[in-house]
Amino acid sequence: RKEVEQDPGPFNVPEGATVAFNCTYSNSASQSFFWYRQDCRKEPKLLMSVYSSGNEDGRFTAQLNRASQYISLLIRDSKLSDSATYLCVVNPGRILTGGGNKLTFGTGTQLKVEL
Amino acid sequence: DVKVTQSSRYLVKRTGEKVFLECVQDMDHENMFWYRQDPGLGLRLIYFSYDVKMKEKGDIPEGYSVSREKKERFSLILESASTNQTSMYLCASSPGQVHQPQHFGDGTRLSIL
Repeated sequence: RKEVEQDPGPFNVPEGATVAFNCTYSNSASQSFFWYRQDCRKEPKLLMSVYSSGNEDGRFTAQLNRASQYISLLIRDSKLSDSATYLCVVNPGRILTGGGNKLTFGTGTQLKVEL
Repeated sequence: DVKVTQSSRYLVKRTGEKVFLECVQDMDHENMFWYRQDPGLGLRLIYFSYDVKMKEKGDIPEGYSVSREKKERFSLILESASTNQTSMYLCASSPGQVHQPQHFGDGTRLSIL
């Protein structure tokens, strides 16, 4: 089983739609979670961290379910500019010698927002 | 804002050449990472460094080495480039505290002919 699993998509949605992505992780000791966005042929960029209580940033809502070991990303009122690949990223709990963490990246879910 | 700068966006080299990829970050981060990204495989960690002159192997270190002589700079070296090392290479950095995300450079698309 992969450490982090995502549905690769693509998810094709009309502009204005609400879309949700799920991601499951295998290591129950995982401690922090992130969503990154990656545009075609560009680098991944941090979209938001995911907190235990769930958190919202404008049209984006992230939630964590530790019992079921999944995190989700909800995008409301989709825009054409939201078209990208969304990477689920998990900190499996290994602390590096100098502090900080090694992260595990999912392979991404592709979103295409259409007119 | 964190700035991670990679020396080249596109690079074409020949089989057998020694290739250097450079990465510089301006946020005084302790940790620096090199990944490669291939379609369907996601990001795979090659090497990382948690301090000057300190390095650890990631998941796919074979055929690569790294150098960190200064805190802000982390170099990836392909000792003898091969065609299966054609890929997108991404450098990242993060501070030395737990639960912090990594910040990426804009990538080097390397082709080995």
